[in-house]
Order: sequence, then C-alpha cells, then structure tokens
Amino acid sequence: EDQVTQSPEALRLQEGESSSLNCSYTVSGLRGLFWYRQDPGKGPEFLFTLYSAGEEKEKERLKATLTKKESFLHITAPKPEDSATYLCAVHTGNQFYFGTGTSLTVIP
Amino acid sequence: GAVVSQHPSRVICKSGTSVKIECRSLDFQATTMFWYRQFPKQSLMLMATSNEGSKATYEQGVEKDKFLINHASLTLSTLTVTSAHPEDSSFYICSAQEGVSNQPQHFGDGTRLSIL
Repeated sequence: EDQVTQSPEALRLQEGESSSLNCSYTVSGLRGLFWYRQDPGKGPEFLFTLYSAGEEKEKERLKATLTKKESFLHITAPKPEDSATYLCAVHTGNQFYFGTGTSLTVIP
Repeated sequence: GAVVSQHPSRVICKSGTSVKIECRSLDFQATTMFWYRQFPKQSLMLMATSNEGSKATYEQGVEKDKFLINHASLTLSTLTVTSAHPEDSSFYICSAQEGVSNQPQHFGDGTRLSIL
C-alpha cells in the first residue's frame, strides 16, 4: 500500500537550534517528492521538488534531501518565523500522497 | 510565479444556501486542478480532481451532487457546495498543476466556509 509518513508530528526548537524533519515513503514508483509549508488558515506554500535519490535543494535556512526511502528537511539555525506545519507529498504518476505534516514551533 | 488565487477567503451563510468557490491560476495554465478539504490540525483530504473540459473525478465518499466541480478553462475551476448544511463547514483548498504529472501542485489560500 502506498504510504507517506512524516515524523515527528510536532517539534519545538529554540531559536538557532538546527534539526531535521523526516518524510518516509513506500510507493510504487516515485515520480516526484514535494515539500510544502503551511501557515494557520492558509494554503500550503510550495518549497521544493526532488525527483531522484541523491538530489538536494536549498532555500535560505531550509535544505531538502532525498534517498530511495525517505526525504529530510533540514532547518539550520531556525527563527521564530519558520514556525509552521511542513507537509511532504509524493507523486507516483497516478496519484499524490500527502503526509500528515510536522508542526514546527521555534521559540525565541 | 505559479500563483493560485482562491475566492472568497471566508463565507458565512445560512443552512440551505449554495456556495460557489473560485480557483484561478494567475500566471500559468493548469491542466489539472484539485479540491481538498482540511479539518483542524489534520492533513489535506482530497475531494476531487478535475481536468479542463472533463468531468471531475471524485474520491470515494464525496457526493458528486453535493460538491459540484466545473473546470471550464485552463485557468479556472469552481466548487459549488449545494444546499450547504452545518456539517459542510470546513476549510476548502484548491490547487493547480501545470503541465506534466510530476510537477508540483500550487495551492490557493483556502476558503473558510461556515454554515449557520
């Protein structure tokens, strides 16, 4: 069964404390893996697309990496404005599968 | 680039009213649009997928006659909640995808629907 699992469900970090969010997947044929950020009361905002194992993408304090089984979203020296829910999604060619998200809180 | 506009952002109306939500891709042509429902502190629940000029494909358990979807052009899709009742109150989000299937979805900012 195709599945996307994100961990942890919630993460609290002190400002400047780097960490990683995990998105593990079991799907039959990965066509793309996507990371989104969602603020309360808003739609998800697209961050990155990764297509093949070994690929990495960076944007400001965020870096996404991909292996054959999982993706990590690394957050370096986070700031309070990085607080949000981070969603990953996998496309198999037929369907998108979304994880349930990691709620990140960065404390000043 | 890749901006999706969704209107209205909030609707409050009486039970029995029909409500139309618009989703527009502003700077790209969306071959596929998606409609989601999101409950508090939960992930996105796909309701239906629509392609321009075709009938929408609804997910299991989603009533076609209740949630009417029209995808009349490559930049516009609408969701009409017919005869809305309080249990239809939710956060509805649309997304649009450009070109080939392995492209990301780009999301609107959602519509908060409250039925009194």
